[in-house]
This record gives sequence, structure tokens and C-alpha cells, in this order.
Amino acid sequence: SQQGEEDPQALSIQEGENATMNCSYKTSINNLQWYRQNSGRGLVHLILIRSNEREKHSGRLRVTLDTSKKSSSLLITASRAADTASYFCATDAGAGGSYIPTFGRGTSLIVHP
Amino acid sequence: ETGVTQSPTHLIKTRGQQVTLRCSSQSGHNTVSWYQQALGQGPQFIFQYYREEENGRGNFPPRFSGLQFPNYSSELNVNALELDDSALYLCASSLSRDGRGEQFFGPGTRLTVL
Repeated sequence: SQQGEEDPQALSIQEGENATMNCSYKTSINNLQWYRQNSGRGLVHLILIRSNEREKHSGRLRVTLDTSKKSSSLLITASRAADTASYFCATDAGAGGSYIPTFGRGTSLIVHP
Repeated sequence: ETGVTQSPTHLIKTRGQQVTLRCSSQSGHNTVSWYQQALGQGPQFIFQYYREEENGRGNFPPRFSGLQFPNYSSELNVNALELDDSALYLCASSLSRDGRGEQFFGPGTRLTVL
């Protein structure tokens, strides 16, 4: 089963618009990470937010985390055609030095030029 | 480019065969994780190796096994291949074994089982 679930499954927008993707999870986490994947290739790490953080920024990316609601959001501002990709959230549920990361099914983002 | 390489890029096998996939970690990284990604799904964690020992395993049968070598490169072995094993196999290296740091992914090996 997948702990992290992204919403929406697919998102289609015009260049310049903002894109917001959400991730919900079920159990307590140490941190949550967002990744990007271009067309069946390897994943690229975008941002990590720890459980004691509420918001983080990196360039045009803004991530929020609400541990009370067990949810996170990824906002991409002023989107570009090159942002077209699948976006995944990943949570960790391991303890005692082991690490069991769990990815959601992802949000497929298409940015039209 | 992350510095993590995987070989081969693509592979076609038949049911019942065995396969070995290889991963070369980013320089200095002592932890490697393997994932299976079926079409349209997110990556599923197979297992992680830290300094040559298994350090966590997902819900995969024993016919999925691995190795990590002293130079921290790694292999994923799958025995008795099944059709459902067709997927993109990703490895990721990191400096930390507890998931508190960034993972660097390789480009993946696309396995097709006929």
C-alpha cells in the first residue's frame, strides 16, 4: 500500500500559471520529500521538509506541511513548459536506523506553452 | 545528472529467468536503495543497503536479493522472473541511511519480462 497519495492525478495548465499539488499520508513521519520525474527517467529531488517545519521555499517552489492534517502541498509558481513532469511525494516511516520510504502514485503535470 | 549510473539501460528476459541489475553510487555515498516502478505508479521500495548490509526491506519476496560492494556499488538480483516484474528499476544513493537526507537517483533500468 502507498502511504503518500498525490492529488490531483493529472493537472494541465498554461505557461505562467501556478500549479498546486497535494500529498496526503497516513502515519507519523520524520520528513517529507518531493521529487520530480521526467518521462520514465530517474527521479530528481526537489525539496525536503522536516516534520517540525511548516513551509519551505526553493526558487519557484513552495512546500507546506501540516502534520495535524497529515498533508503537504507543492506550489510551482510561474510555470514553464519545462516543468512538465510527474511529481511525487515521499514519506519515511522507518525507525531505529532503518528507512522505509513510501512514494505516492504521483501527479502528472502538463504545462502548455 | 546525479552521478548515479545504472546498467543495463534496457533488458528483455523471459519468465523463469534470472536477472542482475547494477548500480554505481555517487562518489562518497555509503547507502543505496532500490525501487521498482510499474507503469503509471510511484516507486516501490525494495530494500536498502548501508555499508554492505541490508538496512530495511519493503514488501518484496525473497527472490529479490541484493548486494553492496566495498566501493558501495550495488546489485539487484531477481530470480524466477514473473511477468509482473516488468518495470523500471531505480537505484538511489545517499549519505544518510535514515532518510533524513536527499537521495540521488540513477536513470533506471527498464526490464521487460515476456
